[in-house]
Amino acid sequence: AQKITQTQPGMFVQEKEAVTLDCTYDTSDQSYGLFWYKQPSSGEMIFLIYQGSYDEQNATEGRYSLNFQKARKSANLVISASQLGDSAMYFCAMRVYNTDKLIFGTGTRLQVFP
Amino acid sequence: DVKVTQSSRYLVKRTGEKVFLECVQDMDHENMFWYRQDPGLGLRLIYFSYDVKMKEKGDIPEGYSVSREKKERFSLILESASTNQTSMYLCASIGAGVRNQPQHFGDGTRLSIL
Repeated sequence: AQKITQTQPGMFVQEKEAVTLDCTYDTSDQSYGLFWYKQPSSGEMIFLIYQGSYDEQNATEGRYSLNFQKARKSANLVISASQLGDSAMYFCAMRVYNTDKLIFGTGTRLQVFP
Repeated sequence: DVKVTQSSRYLVKRTGEKVFLECVQDMDHENMFWYRQDPGLGLRLIYFSYDVKMKEKGDIPEGYSVSREKKERFSLILESASTNQTSMYLCASIGAGVRNQPQHFGDGTRLSIL
């Protein structure tokens, strides 16, 4: 069965520091995609970054990077130089093979303090 | 830019009422989804639709139905609302086969059933 696991219900980080949010996944498929979303307290889901299973390079988008370790089935999100506005829920998700459906993890609440 | 619009940000209804949640997207996307979000459980798929008048059950369809009469509109229906359906509901859409693209989400509806 396909599954996403986020083991950190909450994380704290000081402003300007880097933080890693963990995500492990379980699938027997060879072709899959991994996504990270940010959800501020206002509720909207904001897409951050995507990693395809065949991508050889780790994805990066500005201050966000994805530490993709295929053999370990992990896709951790790294946020560099944290800002107060990064305080939010973060969800890892996996696309179900040959469909457009996503499976989500339970999320990690990140709080950035001054 | 893709716009997914949910009809209400906040909604309060009574037990036993028939409740309609509406979602409209403006990008001619084939696929539309309804999720439910609860603390500690992440996002769970209720129903999705890959074409007009087509629908498939997600992981938690019990107590819900959907309607897709036009491509841009996907409605979630609570036939007889119950208190355990108090939750955040999120609608999303994506074009068919664009596997490296994210699902686009609406702002969510916080539904309370009294």
